[in-house]
Amino acid sequence: GESVGLHLPTLSVQEGDNSIINCAYSNSASDYFIWYKQESGKGPQFIIDIRSNMDKRQGQRVTVLLNKTVKHLSLQIAATQPGDSAVYFCAEGMNTGFQKLVFGTGTRLLVSP
Amino acid sequence: DAGVTQSPTHLIKTRGQQVTLRCSPKSGHDTVSWYQQALGQGPQFIFQYYEEEERQRGNFPDRFSGHQFPNYSSELNVNALLLGDSALYLCASSLDSAGGTGELFFGEGSRLTVL
Repeated sequence: GESVGLHLPTLSVQEGDNSIINCAYSNSASDYFIWYKQESGKGPQFIIDIRSNMDKRQGQRVTVLLNKTVKHLSLQIAATQPGDSAVYFCAEGMNTGFQKLVFGTGTRLLVSP
Repeated sequence: DAGVTQSPTHLIKTRGQQVTLRCSPKSGHDTVSWYQQALGQGPQFIFQYYEEEERQRGNFPDRFSGHQFPNYSSELNVNALLLGDSALYLCASSLDSAGGTGELFFGEGSRLTVL
């Protein structure tokens, strides 16, 4: 069945470093992918999305890369800050208009001062 | 502008009981989706409500049911609770006219513990 998974459950970095969080997906028919940040005790918060016809999209301090050949998605966070510490999820969806998302299991990012 | 609000924030039930969770969508949103998030896992889609009808459903048994009211708020009901139903239940709202990639806004969830 469909699945979205992550390679690393925990990523520890120093403040100021660049962070890269990876995600593998299995549904080649997915139309878009989204990265969410979830802080402790809170719901997921939208970070950035990318459509399947794109291979790169940039936001503020974040970049998402999509490699459809190997079904891989990554989130790059520049100049990581302690406030970036959270669990990050990738999710995939299709253009059904119903926004049913399939989430991965998440990667915990720990940023040390 | 209030975001997505959920209640209660925490609750404890025993096996076999029933629970109702409530969600008020972000102002202007007409679509509500419910997700279950087990500890250490990503959220899993339960179902979505639009125009007071269940529009799409994930792989959850009939013990999970819902409702959407004319003001777009929604309830999630779970009957005959099992220990495995212990999870964070997330409500997400969106605007249907925004199409398939309309941004989902999540609430902070209702933490259900089944003893």
